[in-house]
Amino acid sequence: DAEITQSPRHKITETGRQVTLACHQTWNHNNMFWYRQDLGHGLRLIHYSYGVQDTNKGEVSDGYSVSRSNTEDLPLTLESAASSQTSVYFCASSESNRATEAFFGQGTRLTVV
Amino acid sequence: DAKTTQPNSMESNEEEPVHLPCNHSTISGTDYIHWYRQLPSQGPEYVIHGLTSNVNNRMASLAIAEDRKSSTLILHRATLRDAAVYYCIRRLWGQNFVFGPGTRLSVLP
Repeated sequence: DAEITQSPRHKITETGRQVTLACHQTWNHNNMFWYRQDLGHGLRLIHYSYGVQDTNKGEVSDGYSVSRSNTEDLPLTLESAASSQTSVYFCASSESNRATEAFFGQGTRLTVV
Repeated sequence: DAKTTQPNSMESNEEEPVHLPCNHSTISGTDYIHWYRQLPSQGPEYVIHGLTSNVNNRMASLAIAEDRKSSTLILHRATLRDAAVYYCIRRLWGQNFVFGPGTRLSVLP
């Protein structure tokens, strides 16, 4: 069965370190998204991609970057981790058609100390 | 603003129907309405979506107002496993999913 997986599921890192969170989907979807969710809040869009070599900023993109070199993967990089980036990160993918649903990963819980 | 408006929380008794409302008064004619839910410690999962007509699937029904400014997610018989945060989302021409705070549904045994 097709799926979307995130790794690692949990990570603790120190302030100032570079961190990369992986997202891999086997749906062959063009669209991929990264969200963050802070305790007690909804999901906020960080970056998104509509296809290979395409990346776009979301509402909370400062301090994050993504690259899309193939259809299956959209890694999220925190260039210099800050305590304010402690959060749960969710990756999602969908087909391009607005009438189709998105599939979400199980999330990565990141703690910056 | 692409976000929708939902009540912060709702309660239901087990095995009773639940009607979760959503207001999207600024919706355009080509935006789809999607509903997702998030169980504790899990990623969001798809529930249902629609454009103009009412929709049914094995999980729920979606009733969309004739003017499309509001919609209602209907769970026909709530179970304890339906306790979750439910998100109503407009899927815009730009194809993004913009989440609001959602409605936290509690199901009482």
